[in-house]
Amino acid sequence: AQSVTQPDIHITVSEGASLELRCNYSYGATPYLFWYVQSPGQGLQLLLKYFSGDTLVQGIKGFEAEFKRSQSSFNLRKPSVHWSDAAEYFCAVGGYTGNQFYFGTGTSLTVIP
Amino acid sequence: DGGITQSPKYLFRKEGQNVTLSCEQNLNHDAMYWYRQDPGQGLRLIYYSQIVNDFQKGDIAEGYSVSREKKESFPLTVTSAQKNPTAFYLCASSRRRGGQDNTQYFGPGTRLTVL
Repeated sequence: AQSVTQPDIHITVSEGASLELRCNYSYGATPYLFWYVQSPGQGLQLLLKYFSGDTLVQGIKGFEAEFKRSQSSFNLRKPSVHWSDAAEYFCAVGGYTGNQFYFGTGTSLTVIP
Repeated sequence: DGGITQSPKYLFRKEGQNVTLSCEQNLNHDAMYWYRQDPGQGLRLIYYSQIVNDFQKGDIAEGYSVSREKKESFPLTVTSAQKNPTAFYLCASSRRRGGQDNTQYFGPGTRLTVL
């Protein structure tokens, strides 16, 4: 079955600290992987996406993610978190055939001064 | 500016009423989607459309209806048959449904509350 797991419901980090948000997926074909960010009461904004090629992808706002096929993971990282990064983060998987996206349940990030 | 607009931002409904949520895109995208978001449950697909005058049910279509008469518009009607409609509704679009053009872009959402 196709699915996405985000094991951490909520993460708290200090401003300036590094961040890693975990995402594991189950998908029967070559996955296309995405990270989105959502501020309270807003829509989802695309941070980055992976289709093929280099397994380390760069996104907006200083975020990056690494695709590890052997671990079925696509973890999101940022070297130094800013207070404005506090939001909900969603990982999603889709595929070439056009089957629907599967979203994780999200990780809520709190940034403390 | 290209993008997706949803209206209204907030919507209140009395029990037994149908309400329609608007979604418009000027990205010239073929595919459009409606999702429902509840706390702790992520996004669940209600309906999607790959082309004008065609749409398919998603995982939770019961109590909802859609139309796709124009490429840029994909309104969602929440009917009285939907027993628990209070939620945040998100509309999305993608250039295609498949291939590397299936990246979905989202509107700002509509929060529906049943009184």
